[in-house]
Amino acid sequence: NAGVTQTPKFRVLKTGQSMTLLCAQDMNHEYMYWYRQDPGMGLRLIHYSVGEGTTAKGEVPDGYNVSRLKKQNFLLGLESAAPSQTSVYFCASRFPSGSFLADTQYFGPGTRLTVL
Amino acid sequence: AQSVTQPDIHITVSEGASLELRCNYSYGATPYLFWYVQSPGQGLQLLLKYFSGDTLVQGIKGFEAEFKRSQSSFNLRKPSVHWSDAAEYFCAVGDKVRSGYALNFGKGTSLLVTP
Repeated sequence: NAGVTQTPKFRVLKTGQSMTLLCAQDMNHEYMYWYRQDPGMGLRLIHYSVGEGTTAKGEVPDGYNVSRLKKQNFLLGLESAAPSQTSVYFCASRFPSGSFLADTQYFGPGTRLTVL
Repeated sequence: AQSVTQPDIHITVSEGASLELRCNYSYGATPYLFWYVQSPGQGLQLLLKYFSGDTLVQGIKGFEAEFKRSQSSFNLRKPSVHWSDAAEYFCAVGDKVRSGYALNFGKGTSLLVTP
């Protein structure tokens, strides 16, 4: 199993450009998440999905859109990138159980995005 | 609203010394608490988690954490630190109600290990 993978690993954008970050998991997880990590801020939840075809906003959703067309993939889109979106983006996934007891979140390696 | 506070931004310890990283939470019900570690340029790895029962939780790499409800704390400890433990450590609380069991992270503590 590859676990949780993220594409690309690094990207530099100019202000106003658009891009899509891809998260893929091969563990048959129902729940998937996108976080951003900024220095001194920890990780903050952008969007999440509790199953194929469903998405919901997290703590910092503005400027981002997501899609979950396939169970194994969770896409994060930036329609018009801004310097404030310079960050490291982490995807995570977890088992479908309705409890924290039986599972944990598995994180991808991250995507480092710079917006100039 | 629930929150997690890690009071120490940076901590420096000597190799072989003991370590304690502090974590305080604010949560109305029984919290679901986690400690993650992030090595430079890497993703996050789960060290341990607490849901209920025994308040002393054992994790990987020789780490343990103690849940103290009266102090709203979940401090991470290790009796003897190795140079390879230098990393960023995050405490987190699970958000069952609001966001699909997402994790609410503290801002992290950066651990430096000196020879």
